[in-house]
Amino acid sequence: EPEVTQTPSHQVTQMGQEVILRCVPISNHLYFYWYRQILGQKVEFLVSFYNNEISEKSEIFDDQFSVERPDGSNFTLKIRSTKLEDSAMYFCASSSSGALSPLHFGNGTRLTVT
Amino acid sequence: DAKTTQPPSMDCAEGRAANLPCNHSTISGNEYVYWYRQIHSQGPQYIIHGLKNNETNEMASLIITEDRKSSTLILPHATLRDTAVYYCIVDGQNFVFGPGTRLSVLP
Repeated sequence: EPEVTQTPSHQVTQMGQEVILRCVPISNHLYFYWYRQILGQKVEFLVSFYNNEISEKSEIFDDQFSVERPDGSNFTLKIRSTKLEDSAMYFCASSSSGALSPLHFGNGTRLTVT
Repeated sequence: DAKTTQPPSMDCAEGRAANLPCNHSTISGNEYVYWYRQIHSQGPQYIIHGLKNNETNEMASLIITEDRKSSTLILPHATLRDTAVYYCIVDGQNFVFGPGTRLSVLP
């Protein structure tokens, strides 16, 4: 069964550094998402992406965050200048038809900002 | 904010049916009910979804009330590997996760 893959599984970075989290969505999916989960807290929506542009974003997704689909297979989340509070699990998801179809999640990247 | 209400935790004996309730009294006519689960710190896993009819797949059954204001996820024969946080989601666009129900399957 096709799956969403995320790399790296764990990223450690220093405060103020830029970090790029990578995702390969399921190949025929058209809608892409990033979520995050701070340890012990709920899964939070960050951003959705369709047709090469952001569809929606949450209040968390401020100017420090950006997303890109640089080629036909990758979907990336960039944090320009990481803060301690950015430490979390970041999950990428994709779906074939937006809200009319299930989201398929990757197993996440654990970001640790020191 | 999530549009659903779920009990924070439930226990179930191994081999018995686990019935997880969810209230979604403000659901709109075109919104689906989705269920996901998260085992430990893995990515959320899709289980099942439905609009107004009851649904069944290899993982679970979904019972939606006629007024669509609540639903129940049924795991017919719970195993220890079903221990997870279960999320009921109703959303017309992006999927907003609430705190879910932490299901503990006990031996």
